[in-house]
Amino acid sequence: QSALTQPASVSGSPGQSITISCTGTSSDVGSYNLVSWYQQHPGKAPKLMIYEGSKRPSGVSNRFSGSKSGNTASLTISGLQAEDEADYYCCSYAGSSTFYVFGTGTKVTVL
Amino acid sequence: QVQLQESGPGLVKPSQTLSLTCTVSGGSISSGSYYWSWIRQPAGKGLEWIGRIYTSGSTNYNPSLKSRVTISVDTSKNQFSLKLSSVTAADTAVYYCAREKGARTDYWGQGTLVTVSS
Repeated sequence: QSALTQPASVSGSPGQSITISCTGTSSDVGSYNLVSWYQQHPGKAPKLMIYEGSKRPSGVSNRFSGSKSGNTASLTISGLQAEDEADYYCCSYAGSSTFYVFGTGTKVTVL
Repeated sequence: QVQLQESGPGLVKPSQTLSLTCTVSGGSISSGSYYWSWIRQPAGKGLEWIGRIYTSGSTNYNPSLKSRVTISVDTSKNQFSLKLSSVTAADTAVYYCAREKGARTDYWGQGTLVTVSS
């Protein structure tokens, strides 16, 4: 099972919106509405930002939103802030043989 | 507030078995419909799901690691453990333990670096 494909880097200015894509296959992203997104600052553990494609855990800013179309999931960060600068990973359930596959990761830079 | 803490040797020799323990505090490992997972991250690289154990003791593993991985739980100590056999330098990584429910991993340990080297 290959990793889900994410752009290596995405950048934006404060206040702008950016979108990170996560492309999988019909065996993972395309088959299940079970994509989650994680934010990871350097030297820290990942933090859950989105689950089940578009749901936000309690305490996560509503500037973060998720969606899916076909085999591609997306994370949008609106009103970009300096604190959003981090690595972001998607993860999808991939069935009862593979279970979970992570994305390749995207470094978000706030200009 | 649930907290997880990894512990174990930071250095393992090639061909030996990596052993880590995750201690859960702030809640019973037996309560709730949770999976307890291990995830790793080589330096400068992405995350890799290793496997998980349910409160009942049933396990699921990454197919690429399945032949070398064992995850177990000790409910009396509120701990779960990872064993990875026949390690090589490619197994050098930060290892995280975490809690999962419904395909979302909501609590993570701080991570522990394990280096495979002679």
